[in-house]
Parts: sequence; C-alpha cells; structure tokens
Amino acid sequence: GENVEQHPSTLSVQEGDSAVIKCTYSDSASNYFPWYKQELGKGPQLIIDIRSNVGEKKDQRIAVTLNKTAKHFSLHITETQPEDSAVYFCAASGTGNQFYFGTGTSLTVIP
Amino acid sequence: EADIYQTPRYLVIGTGKKITLECSQTMGHDKMYWYQQDPGMELHLIHYSYGVNSTEKGDLSSESTVSRIRTEHFPLTLESARPSHTSQYLCASSEPGNQPQHFGDGTRLSIL
Repeated sequence: GENVEQHPSTLSVQEGDSAVIKCTYSDSASNYFPWYKQELGKGPQLIIDIRSNVGEKKDQRIAVTLNKTAKHFSLHITETQPEDSAVYFCAASGTGNQFYFGTGTSLTVIP
Repeated sequence: EADIYQTPRYLVIGTGKKITLECSQTMGHDKMYWYQQDPGMELHLIHYSYGVNSTEKGDLSSESTVSRIRTEHFPLTLESARPSHTSQYLCASSEPGNQPQHFGDGTRLSIL
C-alpha cells in the first residue's frame, strides 16, 4: 500500500516568515494530494489540494507544489500569522480511493 | 460551517460498557470513514463505507464495528470498551472518486 512521510514534525517560525512542509509518497498510482489543517479540539479541515496533472497550485498565502517524478509534494505558507498555528497533515490517494495521511507537522507562528 | 456531526464530543466511561459513537452528514455523500487519532498525531483508518449496506475494514485493526443503513448515518460501536480504546475518533465523508474529505470534530473517548 501507500506510504506517506511528512517532515518536519514540528516547525516554529516568526510571524511574517514563510513555512514549508514536505511530504513524500511511495505509490506512483497516487493522483490526488490534499492538505489539511487541524486546530485544537477540531477535525482536520481541507486548506488546499492538488491533482497529479498539475505541478503547482496557489490560494492566497498558501501554495502546494507536486513533483511526480520524485514523488514528493510540499505546502508553502507565506507571510505567516499566529492563526496559522496548527497541526498540518498531507495525504495521498490513488486508484483505491483510500487516503493515506502523513504523521503531521505542528506549526507554531511566534508573534 | 460543518455539515458532518459527531456525538458525543467527549465520553468518559468504564471498562466493559457498550459504546456507540454517532456520525451524521447532510451532504448526501456516499463515502464515509472512521479514523482513530491520538491528539495531534497521525490518522489511522479503521472503517469505511462506499454507500448503504457497504462497510469495509481499514488498515488499522479495530475491535469496533460499523453499520450503514442510511446514507447520512455511519455509527461506530464498541461492544465492550477497554482502556486501550482510549483515543479520539474522527468521522469523515466525501463524494465518490478522489474528492476532499469533510471531517467532523471528533469524539474524545476515555475508558477507565
């Protein structure tokens, strides 16, 4: 089955700086890669996703890049704000339509 | 904002009790999922369903069972709770194919 690895497990940045979280996957059949943000006491919420026919997608301060050859994808958050502090999960899904999640990155934005 | 609801949000109960965690969604999604998650940690799929009368076990072995009698409802049952069942349980739903999952806010379960 699919194996998704996520790094780093914790990340602290100063407010206004950029944050980058990286994930790798093992199954070349995976073709859908969502990113979720989980705040304390809440369920994960989708913040951005990308499909395998696209190399990059951007939504305001958030962007995701995908390198199919290397089987890795990354989340980029620019101009970070304290409300960006949360746990972020990457995921991969393929032909089986099951989602395989990374182990999470705890992001802290220091005011 | 959430169209997927889980009850109860918190449950503290003694060993040996039968527990049912409720999950309902109003989006008409065919696919529904149950995940087990220790707080802030990785999500582990324990059950999923492609639609009414469809249930499958996920990658993480679980002593729980599920049923899908109605599209909007996907309850999870533990026949005899044990301390090892202490965790957070997240329910999710999605449209068919590779579409985003919508998560509930979870049930935090503690077995004494």
